Amino acid sequence: NAGVMQNPRHLVRRRGQEARLRCSPVKGHSHVYWYRQLPEEGLKFMVYLQKENIIDESGMPKERFSAEFPKEGPSILRIQQVVRGDSAAYFCASSPSGGWSNQPQHFGDGTRLSIL
Amino acid sequence: SQQGEEDPQALSIQEGENATMNCSYKTSINNLQWYRQNSGRGLVHLILIRSNEREKHSGRLRVTLDTSKKSSSLLITASRAADTASYFCANTGNQFYFGTGTSLTVIP
Repeated sequence: NAGVMQNPRHLVRRRGQEARLRCSPVKGHSHVYWYRQLPEEGLKFMVYLQKENIIDESGMPKERFSAEFPKEGPSILRIQQVVRGDSAAYFCASSPSGGWSNQPQHFGDGTRLSIL
Repeated sequence: SQQGEEDPQALSIQEGENATMNCSYKTSINNLQWYRQNSGRGLVHLILIRSNEREKHSGRLRVTLDTSKKSSSLLITASRAADTASYFCANTGNQFYFGTGTSLTVIP
C-alpha cells in the first residue's frame, strides 16, 4: 500500500521560473491538503482540495500560487515567477473523506524547493 | 496567528527516561492530534484525542487534554533512541493548526 507520494523530492529553480510540485494521495483518498514548512517551524496550511474542487484556499498567497486536483492524476501545486522567499519544504497530505476534525492526515515526505 | 505552541522547543534525554512535551492552542477545538516528524521526512500521525476526552493511551504514548487551559501534553515513556524526532500538535477546528514543534533527542 503506497502512501502519499510527492515528487520531486528536491527542486531547484532560479528566480522568475515556475515550480510544479506533484502529489499522489493514498489510493482511495479523495481529499488533499498542501502545507508549507520553513526551517525550524511548524507546518502552515495552504490549500485543501477535493477531486476537481478547491474547498479551502485561505492559506494560499493571492498571487503566483495555484493548486489543482484533477479527476485523473496527481494534485499539482504551482508557483509562478518564484522568489527567494518561496524556498521551503512543501508537504502534501491526504485523507479518505472530508472535514478537518476527526481523521488523521497521511503525509508525503515533501518537496524541498530551493530558489537560486 | 492561530498557530499553537509546543514547549519546550528542544528536549534532550537519556534512553529509558520519560519525555514530556506540552502544547498550547488558541482556538476552540474538535479534537487535537499529535504528529511526529523525522528529519527530512513527512509527518506521521501518533494519536488523536477528542475534545470531550481528558486522557488517552497508545503503547508508550500518553496524551492529556485540558480544554479549560487550552493545553495538551504528550508523554513518551521509556524513551528509545529511535524516538528522536520533532513532535507537533495540531488542533483541528475548521482547519489544521500546527504548533512550532518540540525537537526531542534521545541519547543512547
